[in-house]
Amino acid sequence: GAVVSQHPSWVICKSGTSVKIECRSLDFQATTMFWYRQFPKQSLMLMATSNEGSKATYEQGVEKDKFLINHASLTLSTLTVTSAHPEDSSFYICSVLGDSTDTQYFGPGTRLTVL
Amino acid sequence: DAKTTQPPSMDCAEGRAANLPCNHSTISGNEYVYWYRQIHSQGPQYIIHGLKNNETNEMASLIITEDRKSSTLILPHATLRDTAVYYCIVQSGAGSYQLTFGKGTKLSVIP
Repeated sequence: GAVVSQHPSWVICKSGTSVKIECRSLDFQATTMFWYRQFPKQSLMLMATSNEGSKATYEQGVEKDKFLINHASLTLSTLTVTSAHPEDSSFYICSVLGDSTDTQYFGPGTRLTVL
Repeated sequence: DAKTTQPPSMDCAEGRAANLPCNHSTISGNEYVYWYRQIHSQGPQYIIHGLKNNETNEMASLIITEDRKSSTLILPHATLRDTAVYYCIVQSGAGSYQLTFGKGTKLSVIP
């Protein structure tokens, strides 16, 4: 399987600030990456699909201007939460699509807390 | 994608086999069955997947019924580290690749 890292593993920020989360594919070049979020005691919800070199595809109800996704290289995708508010506090998880399979491999997640 | 139904929770004694069931009665012919697990406060971990044949790897075995309407994930010798939420997901694989997570089964391995 693929090895995926995320940075930071946790972050605390003030309301109104922006936070950038990085997702890296460490052992192969990932054309497609996904971003999920998970609220406490709930399941993962897909936010967007990111393809290298093109605009991300967002799921219904996810504001593209608030959650900026950049997939500028085959090993790095970033999610920027702009003007964060306490309701954006969540566990953000990325995944990469395997290079020879249709299997997704997930990062360890980033815990965002907005005060 | 087809929906899945899993029991909300299960217990298993340490060292015994854990058998986790999943119903996916509306699965289509080109849809795969995937299993992931999520240990508390971590990202999901891929376990195994299959189309119609039974599959086995170093982590688990996947038994899919002949009509493909249900499957069972088997952890042959459960350990305390297998305590997690296990998700059964049906994925079309036909260019979609998206995973829709349900509530999963909370497996508790008991000493």
